[in-house]
Amino acid sequence: DARVTQTPRHKVTEMGQEVTMRCQPILGHNTVFWYRQTMMQGLELLAYFRNRAPLDDSGMPKDRFSAEMPDATLATLKIQPSEPRDSAVYFCAGTSSYNEQFFGPGTRLTVL
Amino acid sequence: ILNVEQSPQSLHVQEGDSTNFTCSFPSSNFYALHWYRWETAKSPEALFVMTLNGDEKKKGRISATLNTKEGYSYLYIKGSQPEDSATYLCAPEYGNKLVFGAGTILRVKS
Repeated sequence: DARVTQTPRHKVTEMGQEVTMRCQPILGHNTVFWYRQTMMQGLELLAYFRNRAPLDDSGMPKDRFSAEMPDATLATLKIQPSEPRDSAVYFCAGTSSYNEQFFGPGTRLTVL
Repeated sequence: ILNVEQSPQSLHVQEGDSTNFTCSFPSSNFYALHWYRWETAKSPEALFVMTLNGDEKKKGRISATLNTKEGYSYLYIKGSQPEDSATYLCAPEYGNKLVFGAGTILRVKS
């Protein structure tokens, strides 16, 4: 049963530290999305890639966030430096077409 | 900013009751409507993807309809069970991107 994996599942860090979150989409899912879940905003799209190329990162604060897809099996979301307002659950999701997205279990980030 | 509204915000029903939720969304440049089921401490799971006006999809006791002209979708659950308790999210798709509503929280009491 193919699943999307995300690591770490939980991360507690101090303000100013770098945070890297990783996602392994299901093999063959060539479109990968990064979402953030907060109490205020619900699920918001940060960035997405197709065939490893970034298509849209307009939802991401660019001064501190960066997203990459170094290969077809790995997507990364990096925050440097992290701030307390970045505390949220970060989900990645993948799809093979204009169809349902398969979500990972999420990374719960707490920035103190 | 695209406004996707879901109502009600939350719902408490008894086991066996049938229930329905609403999702309204801007209909211009719309491509598809996604419904997701999100259980606490888990990740969202896709229920339906609908594209055509008048589309109706069904999965077990859950069904959904779509009106693309007026920009709304209904999700129905027949004979609710405690395991149906979850947050139900709708997400219209515009230009490859999903815009999620805030969700309807359903709690089914046995």
